[in-house]
Amino acid sequence: QIVLTQSPSASASLGASVKLTCTLSSGHSEYAIAWHQQQPDKGPRCLMKLNRDGSHIKGDGIPDRFSASMSGAERYLTISSLQSEDEADYYCQTWDIGIRVFGGGTKLTVL
Amino acid sequence: EVQLVESGGGLVQPGGSLRLSCAASTFTFTNYAMSWVRRAPGKGLEWVSVISASGDSTSYADSVRGRFTISRDNSRNTLLLQMSSLRAEDTALYYCAKEAGNSGGNTGGNFDWWGQGTLVTVSS
Repeated sequence: QIVLTQSPSASASLGASVKLTCTLSSGHSEYAIAWHQQQPDKGPRCLMKLNRDGSHIKGDGIPDRFSASMSGAERYLTISSLQSEDEADYYCQTWDIGIRVFGGGTKLTVL
Repeated sequence: EVQLVESGGGLVQPGGSLRLSCAASTFTFTNYAMSWVRRAPGKGLEWVSVISASGDSTSYADSVRGRFTISRDNSRNTLLLQMSSLRAEDTALYYCAKEAGNSGGNTGGNFDWWGQGTLVTVSS
């Protein structure tokens, strides 16, 4: 069973950087993931796909302030130069045959 | 830009049925698998179901298997979700999402485009 673990909340100041973490369960440490953002009262949007080799493919129109990386079973989303509109819920997502899985999400507060 | 527009949500009594639709445009619908994802009040995103590009392969989350049926009409670029035996815990915003791949399998299972959602409320 694939499980993605995210911290429920994070906060950082306007203009600062923040690194969000998503941890893959044992036995699934090599899976690719995707990061999604959901701003209040909006549909989600894809930020990027993070491949097994650490390369990533950004979604349409996603600014350079958003980047992704990985180490072992951990997958990271880094947001630099935080803006007020970055205050949102962030989800990691992975997949296998016949199943798609989300992490519990991290609520990011921009101070 | 990809357009996904959900409709069909509403208020339904427990045990009732509802059919959701998702109209897709500005991409070749027949080339991609599609999923339904929901978000219940105060909760995170939950994957519901996926259908392959051809429509010959489907999968469901345990929470809805046997009650929900996903289908697609490739001639009308439309994704469907027939929901029956609805429960209070099915109350959520339901989103359709385009997958990057076509099979609904273990490649291209990331969602690259999302709709805005349609609200389903199950209550007496």
